[in-house]
Amino acid sequence: AQSVTQLDSQVPVFEEAPVELRCNYSSSVSVYLFWYVQYPNQGLQLLLKYLSGSTLVKGINGFEAEFNKSQTSFHLRKPSVHISDTAEYFCAVKHIIQGAQKLVFGQGTRLTINP
Amino acid sequence: GAGVSQSPSNKVTEKGKDVELRCDPISGHTALYWYRQRLGQGLEFLIYFQGNSAPDKSGLPSDRFSAERTGESVSTLTIQRTQQEDSAVYLCASTPEAFFGQGTRLTVV
Repeated sequence: AQSVTQLDSQVPVFEEAPVELRCNYSSSVSVYLFWYVQYPNQGLQLLLKYLSGSTLVKGINGFEAEFNKSQTSFHLRKPSVHISDTAEYFCAVKHIIQGAQKLVFGQGTRLTINP
Repeated sequence: GAGVSQSPSNKVTEKGKDVELRCDPISGHTALYWYRQRLGQGLEFLIYFQGNSAPDKSGLPSDRFSAERTGESVSTLTIQRTQQEDSAVYLCASTPEAFFGQGTRLTVV
């Protein structure tokens, strides 16, 4: 079955420290990859996406992610976090199957930034 | 419109009543998703519409749930005989960029 695994349900980090949120997926077909952020009491906002081309993708708010096909991973990174980055982060995979596109989400990682 | 619009933003209903949730996608987006997000949890796929193709209903949790979409326009998600476990935020997204609406917070009392 196709799935998305976010290995950490919670990640506490000190302000200005680097962070990596891990995402692995399983799929036997081509995929597109996404990271979304959900701030407290708000909707989902697209952070970045990988469709094709360079495997290193840069998004909003200083985040970036790298697509690693051999490891089926799409980890999200930021070199220096800020208090305002406290949020829930969701990795998502779109499986391309005979023209249909089903977007599957991981369970989310709660990033907490401590001063 | 400029984004995905969902209505109502909040809905409180009594157990056993039917509810209808509405999603207005971004104009020109051919595909539309419905997801459910229970408190403190991830997104649960419900249903996917792609143009005029048959929808992927594999995520609907029971026959009390149904959804419709006419062409590439508005979609409605209907929950019949609501139960307390249906309480959640129901999110709609239109693609190809998977922009999400703000959701409808459903509370069944």
